[in-house]
Amino acid sequence: DIVMTQSPDSLAVSLGERATINCKSSQSVLSISNNKNYLAWYQQKPGQPPKLLIYWASTRQSGVPDRFSGSESGTDFTLTISSLQAEDVAVYFCQQYYTTPLTFGPGTKVNIK
Amino acid sequence: QVHLVQSGAEMKKPGASVRVSCKAPGYTFSSSAIHWVRQAPGQRLEWMGWFNGVNGNTKYSQKFQGRVTITRDTSANTADMELSSLRSADTAVYYCARSSDFPIFDSWGQGTVVTVSS
Repeated sequence: DIVMTQSPDSLAVSLGERATINCKSSQSVLSISNNKNYLAWYQQKPGQPPKLLIYWASTRQSGVPDRFSGSESGTDFTLTISSLQAEDVAVYFCQQYYTTPLTFGPGTKVNIK
Repeated sequence: QVHLVQSGAEMKKPGASVRVSCKAPGYTFSSSAIHWVRQAPGQRLEWMGWFNGVNGNTKYSQKFQGRVTITRDTSANTADMELSSLRSADTAVYYCARSSDFPIFDSWGQGTVVTVSS
C-alpha cells in the first residue's frame, strides 16, 4: 500500500497570512502515460464530509477560491493557503489515487493564531 | 457536483451486519463510480471499496475483503454498502463518495454513524 504522510500535524496561522501543508507519498504517484501526479487535497470542517479542493496535485476544483494552490516535487506535495481566512479553519487531507487501495494522509489541522 | 444522501445512524452488536444506503436524488449512478470511505474516531480516512456504475464491477480493499459488499439497487436508485462480522473497531462514520473518470471524490454523502457495541 502507498503510505501518505503529512506535516505538520497542526498549525496556527494569523488571518491573512500564508499556511503551508506538506504531504509525502511512500512511492511515486506519477503516471508515465499522462505525466500527472495522482494526488488530491480535501478540506474537512467539523461535522461535515470532506470537500475536494485540488486534484492532479495542482488543479483547483471548480468553485474553490484561488487562495488555495497545490504544488509538487517528486513524491513531495504542498497545499498552500495564500491568505488564511476564518472559514479556512479545518483539517486538510491528501489522497493518492494512483493505485488501490486508495489511501489518505492523517490530516493537518489548521487554526487561527 | 452531485448531492448524495445516506441512510441514518445505526447501532449494532458485535458479530452483526450493517447496511448503509447512498442515494442521489434525480441522478443515476450509471456514468460514475460510488466509493465507500470510513473515518473511525481519531483515525485517517480509510477507503473500503467502490462500485463502478459504468460496467457494474466492484473492487474492495484487501483489508475488508470477505466482509464488505457494495451493490447497486436499481429500483431504489441507491448504492449500498454492507459490512459483516462487525467488531468495535468498525465504529466509525461511513461516507459514500462519487467519482467519474478517476477516483477523485468530487461529491460526498453526509456520513452515517455506525456504532458497534455490546
